[in-house]
Amino acid sequence: DTGVSQNPRHKITKRGQNVTFRCDPISEHNRLYWYRQTLGQGPEFLTYFQNEAQLEKSRLLSDRFSAERPKGSFSTLEIQRTEQGDSAMYLCASSLISPPRTEAFFGQGTRLTVV
Amino acid sequence: GQSLEQPSEVTAVEGAIVQINCTYQTSGFYGLSWYQQHDGGAPTFLSYNALDGLEETGRFSSFLSRSDSYGYLLLQELQMKDSASYFCAVESQDTGFQKLVFGTGTRLLVSP
Repeated sequence: DTGVSQNPRHKITKRGQNVTFRCDPISEHNRLYWYRQTLGQGPEFLTYFQNEAQLEKSRLLSDRFSAERPKGSFSTLEIQRTEQGDSAMYLCASSLISPPRTEAFFGQGTRLTVV
Repeated sequence: GQSLEQPSEVTAVEGAIVQINCTYQTSGFYGLSWYQQHDGGAPTFLSYNALDGLEETGRFSSFLSRSDSYGYLLLQELQMKDSASYFCAVESQDTGFQKLVFGTGTRLLVSP
């Protein structure tokens, strides 16, 4: 396994369009996370899954954002009616549930530009 | 809620030692992690502290004081390739078990 894979790496879209990103986690990892990162900031939590169950969605996330993880494998993040403020790097990470620590493995991200 | 504070930028020269501090506010603390991110790259895990004290991994060490809600990352024998952003991340009852909340990051610039 080569790590967490995200597609596409870059996406340019017009305001108002819908976009969907895909994340393929490390195969044995049961936790999957989505983060958003803007320039000069740390990753901001969006949502996370344990297997196929979505455990939490950030209160900062509008209803335009939705994520799925069917069958507990890959995940998709969809943004509807994109706005310029959605321009950011969208990072996916995965981890094993292995207390006491969480070691998250991140993908290279999808850079979204809304024009 | 929770918050983390880090210096925005630190500069140092090759071969030196640098310390990057992180103070946090949260309830039900579980642990503090450190991640490195090169420009254009993915964050990568460096270290984790759940208990007070120092954890050493090669040239990198991380320290935690739970009573002071404070930790730091110590980088020794700095190399040019260490130029990157470093993020502390907290895990707590506030954030949710095995969910990381990241600080804003410290940009480390290593010069020759």
